[in-house]
Amino acid sequence: EIVMTQSPATLSVSPGERATLSCRASQNVGDSLAWYQHKPGQAPRLLIYGASTGATGIPARFSGSGSGTEFTLTINSLQSEDFAVYYCQQYNSRPSFGQGTKLEIK
Amino acid sequence: QVQLVESGGGLVQPGRSLRISCAASGFTFRHYGMHWVRQAPGKELEWLAVVAHDGSIQYYADSVKGRFTISRDNSKNTLYLQISSLRIEDTAVYYCAKEWAEYAGGWFFDYWDQGTLVTVSS
Repeated sequence: EIVMTQSPATLSVSPGERATLSCRASQNVGDSLAWYQHKPGQAPRLLIYGASTGATGIPARFSGSGSGTEFTLTINSLQSEDFAVYYCQQYNSRPSFGQGTKLEIK
Repeated sequence: QVQLVESGGGLVQPGRSLRISCAASGFTFRHYGMHWVRQAPGKELEWLAVVAHDGSIQYYADSVKGRFTISRDNSKNTLYLQISSLRIEDTAVYYCAKEWAEYAGGWFFDYWDQGTLVTVSS
């Protein structure tokens, strides 16, 4: 099983600033990495797949990078609606998720 | 628009069985693999199972193999998860999720439902 580790667990950022979230895989997953945004009581929302490809309808301020074992989700010019929990997920083998990063307002 | 609507969650006693359903609309259901994912309180998302677009193949997480059964009825556009011998640790929000690509696509998900809570308690 591939273990996904996200850091930090909680990130405090002010609106308008940039947030950088990290995800590490215990094995090489190539570019088989997706990012999701999850708000309480809502369905998770696909943001990024293929490590760096934005999903349909996702604002350009969301971007992904990395390959192999190290990945980053960057959110530029944070908006109020961006404060949520973010999960990475590998799909190189049977899917596994990170434990999440809670992005909160500073 | 794509809609996934679950039903069947609730309070269940340990050792009992439960079937959760996920009704799909807004896309050609029979073209897509479908998955179940759960989130226990305070825990990360956990992938549980996948069924191929035509129902011919199922795969399970090792943690639920033997107790969970995923199935689908393409004539009813509905996905199912049968859980037997429920345990306290099965308490979680259960989500159904649609694969991004038709047929044998990558196992990531472009639509999820809002989840249904299953509470296992005596």
